[in-house]
Amino acid sequence: DTGVSQDPRHKITKRGQNVTFRCDPISEHNRLYWYRQTLGQGPEFLTYFQNEAQLEKSRLLSDRFSAERPKGSFSTLEIQRTEQGDSAMYLCASSPRGTADGEKLFFGSGTQLSVL
Amino acid sequence: AQSVTQPDIHITVSEGASLELRCNYSYGATPYLFWYVQSPGQGLQLLLKYFSGDTLVQGIKGFEAEFKRSQSSFNLRKPSVHWSDAAEYFCAVGPPGGGATNKLIFGTGTLLAVQP
Repeated sequence: DTGVSQDPRHKITKRGQNVTFRCDPISEHNRLYWYRQTLGQGPEFLTYFQNEAQLEKSRLLSDRFSAERPKGSFSTLEIQRTEQGDSAMYLCASSPRGTADGEKLFFGSGTQLSVL
Repeated sequence: AQSVTQPDIHITVSEGASLELRCNYSYGATPYLFWYVQSPGQGLQLLLKYFSGDTLVQGIKGFEAEFKRSQSSFNLRKPSVHWSDAAEYFCAVGPPGGGATNKLIFGTGTLLAVQP
């Protein structure tokens, strides 16, 4: 169990650029989540995958955001045409099959995005 | 609307003193309840959770929390704080009855500082 890994740890970009983050969940965890945490706020749910299927998306996930988990393992979160309001910590989490909500939810250290 | 309120943004306690962090929630039914801790540069770590049963739950690192249905509260306590407890603490709620979305709703967090 090496934990949830996120890459990069920090990303600085200019407004209008596209960025992509990667999340590697704990192996054999079939569920993967993306959350966003802005300064002074708690994490907010963005989206959820069960294996490769994206089962839920928050209204926070505008059409500039897209998340994929093509083989049911790692996931990517892409933000197109970044805006300053996208500056936040993007957290990934995973959980194993058969567990109740929050019972075994493991978070990564996050990717801190700064849009200049 | 579903929400979590942590009324204390910042708390400072002396090492060895007792601690209580407050959490109130608004939810249609009794949700699953959680406390997470986030240290700088680290991911969120689950301290404890309440699903049902005994309203006083024990967690890791010597923390406990008490669920009070009448007050819609789930306050976190520790009898003697250690300097390593300095971190940000988040209360969260999740849908009751199981399910797999892990669509947790987090409070805004309480930043704990520990004085020597």
